[in-house]
This record gives sequence, C-alpha cells and structure tokens, in this order.
Amino acid sequence: DAGITQSPRHKVTETGTPVTLRCHQTENHRYMYWYRQDPGHGLRLIHYSYGVKDTDKGEVSDGYSVSRSKTEDFLLTLESATSSQTSVYFCAISPRELKGTDTQYFGPGTRLTVL
Amino acid sequence: AQSVTQPDIHITVSEGASLELRCNYSYGATPYLFWYVQSPGQGLQLLLKYFSGDTLVQGIKGFEAEFKRSQSSFNLRKPSVHWSDAAEYFCAVGEPGGYNKLIFGAGTRLAVHP
Repeated sequence: DAGITQSPRHKVTETGTPVTLRCHQTENHRYMYWYRQDPGHGLRLIHYSYGVKDTDKGEVSDGYSVSRSKTEDFLLTLESATSSQTSVYFCAISPRELKGTDTQYFGPGTRLTVL
Repeated sequence: AQSVTQPDIHITVSEGASLELRCNYSYGATPYLFWYVQSPGQGLQLLLKYFSGDTLVQGIKGFEAEFKRSQSSFNLRKPSVHWSDAAEYFCAVGEPGGYNKLIFGAGTRLAVHP
C-alpha cells in the first residue's frame, strides 16, 4: 500500500467551526488530491496540488481551501463548516513522473460530521 | 463535459456466477480508464487501469476489463465471483497529459449471495 495517512480519521464538529484535515505521504509523490465521497455521487474532486505551493480548484471547491508547504503534507480547510460538508474525505497521491504512472493511490479517508 | 456513468446502482449475484459491471464515459479523446474497489469503511483500491495498447486489461483478484472505443465503455468482468468480492466498485476516467484529475462514476454496489 502507498504510504498515505489521513488525520483525523473521524471528526464531529458544529456548524460555523473551522476544520482542517491533514493528508501525509511518505512516497515523495508530486501530485496530491482531495476528494469527497457522497452517496449517489461517487468521488468528486475538491482541490489538487501539482507541487509545493502549487494548488488549483476542482469540481466542488466552494467552501474549501488547501495548502501545501511541504511535499509530504496537503491540508484541506473548511473555513466555516456547514452541514452540507458532512462527507467522507479522501486524499490521493500520484507520481505522474513517467508515462504509465498516472495512477492515483488513496488514503483511508476521514469521516466528517457537521452538526 | 466529461462524465462517467455506471448504470447499475446495485447488483446481486450468486457466489460462483459470472459478473459484469458496466461503465460508460463521455470524453473528447481516449481517456485513461480505471476501476477501483471499496470495501465497507475502507479506502479505494485500484483493480486495473487502461492507458493505451491492448484493449483487454487484466487486474488483481481475477478481474479484467475491456475498453471499447466505439461504445465509450470500459466494463469490468469476473468469471466466477467470490463472497469476498462484495464491495462497491467505481469506474473513473483521467485526462492524459493533464493533471490527472479523475472523474468518478457514482459506483455500483455488489452483493454476493452464498
């Protein structure tokens, strides 16, 4: 398994509270991604990073921000959590250095509940 | 816009029966194609992938998938299902030459009867 950890694994918070989720990798991969998983929607891309300090928005980025100050860490922040952000959040990494290595490997997920 | 459709939300098969999970995509060119499996409470595990070349690809756990350009499909198959295959299966497309952002289908939940 790819060396990806996510923390926390479970979190319950209240509406309006800021929340930060952490993704940590030990693979030194350049590309990192944040997805959310909701029933009936599969996984949807929130933000992604293609290098340190290089990030961009995905399909469902409203209400989320990210930061990547080190290769190994990619942080997802909900500035003011809302109930619609209750979801399971997955981090993924990809080497994408050589042809044929455009595969994403996923972390174990963080289950976030916003009350 | 790019999209992935998995027409079957739930499928139930008997152990030992064959399986085919459908995946259709909408994309301007030939995308990268993936199948992932997710067991309850777990992350996603890559089953197989198609980038180019032979349109029949073999994956782990005895799964295979066939890319059919004319039908914009990438269906997943297994000749004999085991009870441990019960899980949710996701088809995804990626963009060659881009940032490899993935677009996922909504998933197919597979139940296996003994």
